[in-house]
Amino acid sequence: AQSVTQLDSHVSVSEGTPVLLRCNYSSSYSPSLFWYVQHPNKGLQLLLKYTSAATLVKGINGFEAEFKKSETSFHLTKPSAHMSDAAEYFCVVRGYSSASKIIFGSGTRLSIRP
Amino acid sequence: DAGVIQSPRHEVTEMGQEVTLRCKPISGHDYLFWYRQTMMRGLELLIYFNNNVPIDDSGMPEDRFSAKMPNASFSTLKIQPSEPRDSAVYFCASSSGLAGVHGELFFGEGSRLTVL
Repeated sequence: AQSVTQLDSHVSVSEGTPVLLRCNYSSSYSPSLFWYVQHPNKGLQLLLKYTSAATLVKGINGFEAEFKKSETSFHLTKPSAHMSDAAEYFCVVRGYSSASKIIFGSGTRLSIRP
Repeated sequence: DAGVIQSPRHEVTEMGQEVTLRCKPISGHDYLFWYRQTMMRGLELLIYFNNNVPIDDSGMPEDRFSAKMPNASFSTLKIQPSEPRDSAVYFCASSSGLAGVHGELFFGEGSRLTVL
């Protein structure tokens, strides 16, 4: 069975400072992991995904995430926050078959201070 | 491609009325998902289809909810009768089974339902 835990419900950073959104997962098999972003009144958009090809994954808008099997983590980072990054972020785990359930984390709301 | 298309974007109705939400998935995608999002419960999977066949409807709240996928390009989620607690944003998403476990979901913009 899979599960995913986003450790912070809300993160606030100043513009220009680094962003860290934490995600831990549990999976019986090697999982696929995703980060999605949801801007206000919008649908969810894929930021990046881990497919076992490389442990450091680069996504859109300068975001990246590192898969750490020993820590069962897939934290999302960005070196320098921009006001437009303010949104809700979801970590997602998917099992080993295409029919496996897709499990969404509870979300982390990112606020950016001017 | 136009992406996943949902309609209506906003719906305000009165308790007891029937509500029908519509979704057109991305052409060629063989998986379709319906999610509900609320502040209290976050994102909940209601039901998903593979090749137009419902695979898992364990997330459907109760018999008032039903979903159909008559063909590969159209799905509906119906609530009859609607209740105020059904107020939420309903998302449709699609994905391709060809991508296997690495296939991401593509989401529509959502249908915001308010039941008075």
